[in-house]
Amino acid sequence: NAGVTQTPKFQVLKTGQSMTLQCAQDMNHNSMYWYRQDPGMGLRLIYYSASEGTTDKGEVPNGYNVSRLNKREFSLRLESAAPSQTSVYFCASKLQGGTDTQYFGPGTRLTVL
Amino acid sequence: EDQVTQSPEALRLQEGESSSLNCSYTVSGLRGLFWYRQDPGKGPEFLFTLYSAGEEKEKERLKATLTKKESFLHITAPKPEDSATYLCAVQAGNAGNMLTFGGGTRLMVKP
Repeated sequence: NAGVTQTPKFQVLKTGQSMTLQCAQDMNHNSMYWYRQDPGMGLRLIYYSASEGTTDKGEVPNGYNVSRLNKREFSLRLESAAPSQTSVYFCASKLQGGTDTQYFGPGTRLTVL
Repeated sequence: EDQVTQSPEALRLQEGESSSLNCSYTVSGLRGLFWYRQDPGKGPEFLFTLYSAGEEKEKERLKATLTKKESFLHITAPKPEDSATYLCAVQAGNAGNMLTFGGGTRLMVKP
């Protein structure tokens, strides 16, 4: 099992450019999440998908869109990148609802110039 | 609003010097408290889940405990390989699938 995988590992964008961060899990999990991690701010939830076909906003959704492509894949899109979106992005998944454990991917380090 | 505060922000220990990390929380009905370890440049790695006050869990040199207001991660006789950032997160009863994370404690263990 690869667990949760993310691509790319690193990305540099110019302000106004768009890009999609990809996430996939092979653990047959139902729920998937996107977080951003900034120094001094901790991990903050951007969007999540409780199950295939559903998505919901988290704490900091502005400037982002998501797509739950199928049970395995959950993508995060920046339509017009801004320097404030410079961060490390983590994808996570968990089996189902309740207090199941979230398992994290290795992260994507994004810099917006 | 759910809040999680971790202290200290950074902790330097000598190898073998035991200590504790604190996670204080304010939530509306705790459903679960999670501890993760994060190495530089990596994603968080799950350590423990605690569900109710009085519960304790152990793994190697780590022991997590929970009260109604805080959790402690006790590190006994740490080794340099225990150096990492330790994250605490809570899931509240009214938060659905969402976790609220603290800012983390960066632990450095010197040989």
